[in-house]
Amino acid sequence: EAQVTQNPRYLITVTGKKLTVTCSQNMNHEYMSWYRQDPGLGLRQIYYSMNVEVTDKGDVPEGYKVSRKEKRNFPLILESPSPNQTSLYFCASSLLATSSAEAFFGQGTRLTVV
Amino acid sequence: GIQVEQSPPDLILQEGANSTLRCNFSDSVNNLQWFHQNPWGQLINLFYIPSGTKQNGRLSATTVATERYSLLYISSSQTTDSGVYFCAVRDNYGQNFVFGPGTRLSVLP
Repeated sequence: EAQVTQNPRYLITVTGKKLTVTCSQNMNHEYMSWYRQDPGLGLRQIYYSMNVEVTDKGDVPEGYKVSRKEKRNFPLILESPSPNQTSLYFCASSLLATSSAEAFFGQGTRLTVV
Repeated sequence: GIQVEQSPPDLILQEGANSTLRCNFSDSVNNLQWFHQNPWGQLINLFYIPSGTKQNGRLSATTVATERYSLLYISSSQTTDSGVYFCAVRDNYGQNFVFGPGTRLSVLP
């Protein structure tokens, strides 16, 4: 089944403890991206990747890192999480980074930083 | 950048009723998608509909690209239809999705 898989689905962590949220897609998509969703602010893009080894900042990149060493995986890294990074995170992918390409979203990761 | 508006912001229906949700966008687009966010937070793909009309069971969608709007129709609503419905368009560079603010639907038994 074609899908975007995020892990973990739920995570509670403490301030400053490094964590990684994984994202994997099995559709051979070139484009992948990360979003965070917050009440009243909607979904905002954190980082995106047009292809392997090509990443760029979105609207809210501060406090996050990403890597794209292989096409299927696009992990989101929080080196030193803070409470303001408590949010619902989504990974998305599409075949190409074109204006017409359909996007597929993962199930979401609910992160709480205490 | 592209602006996306949705109406109404909130909608309460009795089970079995029909509804129409609207999405307006400020510029021409080549991609428009509708999503349902369920109470557990999952984003469910409903339609990829840059133009024309599509139907999937009780749901259908129409996009009139030249007039910059899309409509989502829900017929014979069920309590499981509750949640937030988002429309989203892709920017002209393909790098970002712009989401509307959503319509929160509550279907009462």
